Formats: sequence, C-alpha cells, structure tokens
Amino acid sequence: KNEVEQSPQNLTAQEGEFITINCSYSVGISALHWLQQHPGGGIVSLFMLSSGKKKHGRLIATINIQEKHSSLHITASHPRDSAVYICAVNLNRDDKIIFGKGTRLHILP
Amino acid sequence: DSGVTQTPKHLITATGQRVTLRCSPRSGDLSVYWYQQSLDQGLQFLIQYYNGEERAKGNILERFSAQQFPDLHSELNLSSLELGDSALYFCASSTLSRGTEAFFGQGTRLTVV
Repeated sequence: KNEVEQSPQNLTAQEGEFITINCSYSVGISALHWLQQHPGGGIVSLFMLSSGKKKHGRLIATINIQEKHSSLHITASHPRDSAVYICAVNLNRDDKIIFGKGTRLHILP
Repeated sequence: DSGVTQTPKHLITATGQRVTLRCSPRSGDLSVYWYQQSLDQGLQFLIQYYNGEERAKGNILERFSAQQFPDLHSELNLSSLELGDSALYFCASSTLSRGTEAFFGQGTRLTVV
C-alpha cells in the first residue's frame, strides 16, 4: 500500500464545475504539498500546508492532520486547469519526500 | 518563470555513458532538491542539499551522485547509464531546509538509447 494515496486517478468535468481532489497519507508528516504538472511537463507548486486551509484565487487546499487527509478544490473550473495534480508529503522521520501518483484532470469547454 | 534554471533541457546519450545535469536555484534559496519522474514510477525524490551539505536522501541509485557547490548551484551526476534511467529529472529549490515552499525548474529530459 502506498504511503500517499490520491483519488480519483482521473477526472473529467465540464467547465464551471466544482472540483475536489483528495490525498490521504499513512505516515507522520511535517508538511503536505500540492503540485500542478501541465502537459508540457513543467511543475508548479500550488500550496504547502501543515495545518488548516489556504486559498489562492480559485484554488483552495485543506488539511486535516488528525484524519491524515488533504483536499484540493477548484472552483469555477476552466479548461486551462487541465493538468495532473500531485500530492506530496515531507516525512517527519527522515525528511524524505513521498509523492502520490497524481490525479489527471480534464476540464471540457 | 520559477527562477530555478536547469540545463540542459534535453539530453540523449547511450547506455554506459555518464552525464551531468545542472541546477541553479532561485536567488537566496539554500536548499536544492532532485527528483526523477519516469513513466512507470511517477515522481520520486532523489536527494536534498542544504547550504552545501546533504540533508536528506531518497531513492537515489549508487550510480547517481550529487553535490551542491559554494555558489549553491547543484549538479546531479548519472553514470553507467541504463535504458531505465530515461526520465525527466527535476530540480527544485527552497529558502530553508524544511517548512518552506519549493520552486521547480523546467526539468531535464534524459533519453538513454
């Protein structure tokens, strides 16, 4: 079982829909990251969280430390949001970083 | 533009060869991370340097090595290359050793033939 699990693996939605991507982890962490990877391959760091909630434009990220779960929400989704969204965690025990397998999001116009 | 520069962007080389990938972090960032992304394995953390010292080590093969120089740029050396080493290699940098956001370079696409 992977220490970082993301769901869903793939998601197709219509423009304007509210999107939720989930990340669950089974290890002690010092921080959780949400990354966005566009088809060209470039990676952008969206959020780094250790508690609570962060918002940036139409993106919202939340984390529940007790439940070991984080969600990434996209409001009013747009075709340009189409990308792979990756959850990553910093491990408490040795500071290594583990990645989820990513969620491939496709927003239809 | 993240401010992190990776060179070269693309590299094609033969099995058994050795290559060096270079990363220049954002101005002021002391931490450099290296990651490998292959089709079958996804993103994997290789190694982290902080202010010239190795800080954390992930799934880095013995054939691979890295270092961070006094000017804070970093190099990842891959030797005795195998077909399976073909991947995207990303570098990222952050201000501190932990607890701060990382900024990614555009990656180096390595193809081993």
